[in-house]
Amino acid sequence: EVVLVESGGGLVKPGGSLRLSCTASGFSFTYAWMTWVRQVPGKGLEGVARIKTRSDGGHGGTTDYVAPVKGRFTISRDDSKNTVYLQMNSLRTEDTAVYYCTTELQVRGVIDYWGQGTLVTVSS
Amino acid sequence: EIVLTQSPATLSLSPGERATLSCRASQTIGDYLAWYQQKPGQAPWLLIFDSSNRATGVPARFSGSGSGTDFTLTISSLEPEDFAVYYCHQRSTWPPTFGQGTKVEIK
Repeated sequence: EVVLVESGGGLVKPGGSLRLSCTASGFSFTYAWMTWVRQVPGKGLEGVARIKTRSDGGHGGTTDYVAPVKGRFTISRDDSKNTVYLQMNSLRTEDTAVYYCTTELQVRGVIDYWGQGTLVTVSS
Repeated sequence: EIVLTQSPATLSLSPGERATLSCRASQTIGDYLAWYQQKPGQAPWLLIFDSSNRATGVPARFSGSGSGTDFTLTISSLEPEDFAVYYCHQRSTWPPTFGQGTKVEIK
């Protein structure tokens, strides 16, 4: 059974930092692209950051970011721990959202598994 | 980035009725469109991928169609558990984007 478990959410002040973790099980993590998707409570969904596999190129896997988080967020992976991270710096109130860890196992680009989500609240 | 516009925002129907949801892309995306269902407090659940392919475990009453810029999700006969919010999603280019959602509510 595929399971994705996020942790690390919480309350942080504007300008602060937070690191989210997502531990995966039930599939070959080394070969999986991982994406963080966020959802403002009561609103829509937004793809935030994606990391490909080491075999797809790059030291730790090629990364992609949505424009509003470029230069502030960093996605990384530790294949030995089946874990993907999202380091979030210089947080803004508009980053407040539920952050989902997701993966695409059947077809590249089709998100077919989601974690339960972790809430990040940026407020003074 | 590619903008997806869903219509209507809300659909009020009774169990047993047919639901037709639309999604329009701001530029052509081939058939790289998926549909998700989301219920309160839960993560989205994949229904349809690549416009018309049902995901594993999805009932046959859900079907998708379309290509290019115009797509449709049809629920042939609404069951009580189908009342939820539905999102379309494109994987044609990064960043992946989602529509703003259509809420299917009980009339």
